[in-house]
Amino acid sequence: DAKTTQPPSMDCAEGRAANLPCNHSTISGNEYVYWYRQIHSQGPQYIIHGLKNNETNEMASLIITEDRKSSTLILPHATLRDTAVYYCIVTARSNDYKLSFGAGTTVTVRA
Amino acid sequence: NAGVTQTPKFQVLKTGQSMTLQCAQDMNHEYMSWYRQDPGMGLRLIHYSVGAGITDQGEVPNGYNVSRSTTEDFPLRLLSAAPSQTSVYFCASRGDRGVSGANVLTFGAGSRLTVL
Repeated sequence: DAKTTQPPSMDCAEGRAANLPCNHSTISGNEYVYWYRQIHSQGPQYIIHGLKNNETNEMASLIITEDRKSSTLILPHATLRDTAVYYCIVTARSNDYKLSFGAGTTVTVRA
Repeated sequence: NAGVTQTPKFQVLKTGQSMTLQCAQDMNHEYMSWYRQDPGMGLRLIHYSVGAGITDQGEVPNGYNVSRSTTEDFPLRLLSAAPSQTSVYFCASRGDRGVSGANVLTFGAGSRLTVL
């Protein structure tokens, strides 16, 4: 699986959009980008995933650059409940039994 | 529908003791896995199973055993506990990928283990 690089922490104002970057410059053509989050020591929660097209669901949007070397998770209107550790994971579908969660980005939403 | 249930939530062991962390899911998921999370770090895969009777090692399997005799249960056994195994343990399961093809893991609430 390709290595990912995320900033260790970031702050966001409540009600504003939170843009979480992830660098995956060695991503292969068959590898997907997944985002999970972990709220205060609970088990991680799936947010969204994509291959090369931008994706949106009820939780977030995922923007993947055209060269696929980086992506951004967008929380459109951050709330205090979005305070969590966010994990960006790159994995091939054939290997996604072995999801590896790195250190992630600690996002703190402030009132 | 309880999802993924882990027991116990908290456990203190002495070095050398053995114990089993229980994990059960009621979603008829084929895939189950165990992770450990050390303070300030991400999750590391210990063992996983793609169905009853099939298990395989993850990133950090040493010191742990698993078995999968039923679809519902995936216990994690610590054979001889060591202080290095002090951690929070998470069990996860996954069903069919669905239309999106997503690998959506459902996690339990975690089991916090301290080895003295």
